[in-house]
Amino acid sequence: DGGITQSPKYLFRKEGQNVTLSCEQNLNHDAMYWYRQDPGQGLRLIYYSQIVNDFQKGDIAEGYSVSREKKESFPLTVTSAQKNPTAFYLCASSSKRPSGGADTQYFGPGTRLTVL
Amino acid sequence: GQQLNQSPQSMFIQEGEDVSMNCTSSSIFNTWLWYKQDPGEGPVLLIALYKAGELTSNGRLTAQFGITRKDSFLNISASIPSDVGIYFCAGRVKTSYDKVIFGPGTSLSVIP
Repeated sequence: DGGITQSPKYLFRKEGQNVTLSCEQNLNHDAMYWYRQDPGQGLRLIYYSQIVNDFQKGDIAEGYSVSREKKESFPLTVTSAQKNPTAFYLCASSSKRPSGGADTQYFGPGTRLTVL
Repeated sequence: GQQLNQSPQSMFIQEGEDVSMNCTSSSIFNTWLWYKQDPGEGPVLLIALYKAGELTSNGRLTAQFGITRKDSFLNISASIPSDVGIYFCAGRVKTSYDKVIFGPGTSLSVIP
């Protein structure tokens, strides 16, 4: 089945530790995105990547890092510099429309990170 | 900056009732999207709207792209218990990347 997978579903970490969240897609999409969701709020963009080996900061990139070594994979590292890391993290991907613009973003199931 | 407002923030309705929610902004968008999110899951795309004035249906769902390009609404007819969830609107703008702005969501509860 084609889709976006995120693992693990739930993640617990001690304060001060870095943690890496996985995102894999087999949709052959060029662009991938990471969002953060806090209770009762909309999604906020952390990082995005339009092509392999290239990525850009979103609105709330401080304390996070990413890599895009393969088209299928876009892991997110939550570093100890992130002051409030407990949140629900969502990965998304999109393809290019024939007109050249981006197509709609499709989301993975999310990873809930709790920092103790 | 660009921001979306959704109303109502939450709603409780009886099964079988129709539902209407909307999304407004002071900015113009060239695409409007409606997503539904179940608890602990990722958002799922319901409807995408690409042209001002466009009215699109998906089963019991109907959404419209406002003429001013600054608003959109979503209607759900004959609600059922599985309609429960959070509905997000999102507006897309043309930038160097696929910039999508999400609203804060409308929480829908359906009473059987």
